[in-house]
Amino acid sequence: AQSVTQLDSHVSVSEGTPVLLRCNYSSSYSPSLFWYVQHPNKGLQLLLKYTSAATLVKGINGFEAEFKKSETSFHLTKPSAHMSDAAEYFCVVPYQAGTALIFGKGTTLSVSS
Amino acid sequence: GAVVSQHPSRVICKSGTSVKIECRSLDFQATTMFWYRQFPKKSLMLMATSNEGSKATYEQGVEKDKFLINHASLTLSTLTVTSAHPEDSSFYICSAREGRTQYFGPGTRLLVL
Repeated sequence: AQSVTQLDSHVSVSEGTPVLLRCNYSSSYSPSLFWYVQHPNKGLQLLLKYTSAATLVKGINGFEAEFKKSETSFHLTKPSAHMSDAAEYFCVVPYQAGTALIFGKGTTLSVSS
Repeated sequence: GAVVSQHPSRVICKSGTSVKIECRSLDFQATTMFWYRQFPKKSLMLMATSNEGSKATYEQGVEKDKFLINHASLTLSTLTVTSAHPEDSSFYICSAREGRTQYFGPGTRLLVL
């Protein structure tokens, strides 16, 4: 069965410092993996996706994630946080290819000035 | 990019009444749409998979007679909450699949008084 575990429910950083949001996955096959962001009172926006091509995936707004099969991880990073990055972030895996998504519990990112 | 809309964005209704939420894919056709529910500060939970021209597939624990789903065309799926009760108050989000990526609507906040 597919599943994802977001290791931190809340991450706080200062503006200009690096961001690391951790996600481990469990899958019986090499999965697709996604990171979505949800700003307050806004819809979900796709940040980036891994679909078995390059293991280092670059997304929007300077975010990137690295797929590490040996560690079953797909951590999200950004070199320098911006105030506008404050939001809820979800690590996501499909139930099966092309089907509905399983969401992690989410990580709330807070950015202080 | 692909855009999914939802209407209404916010609705308040009296207990016992029914509410219909629309989900539209604006610039692509979607044979499959998904309905999720999000509780405050919680992750998204899949409610059902909506298939154009056929019956929806409901997740375990979701009452199909309470949450009626109709996918009448390749660009429209509707979720009707019948005989709504206060415990149905929540944030309902739809998504539509294009290729391997799901695009999410902005969500509908339902408050049942």
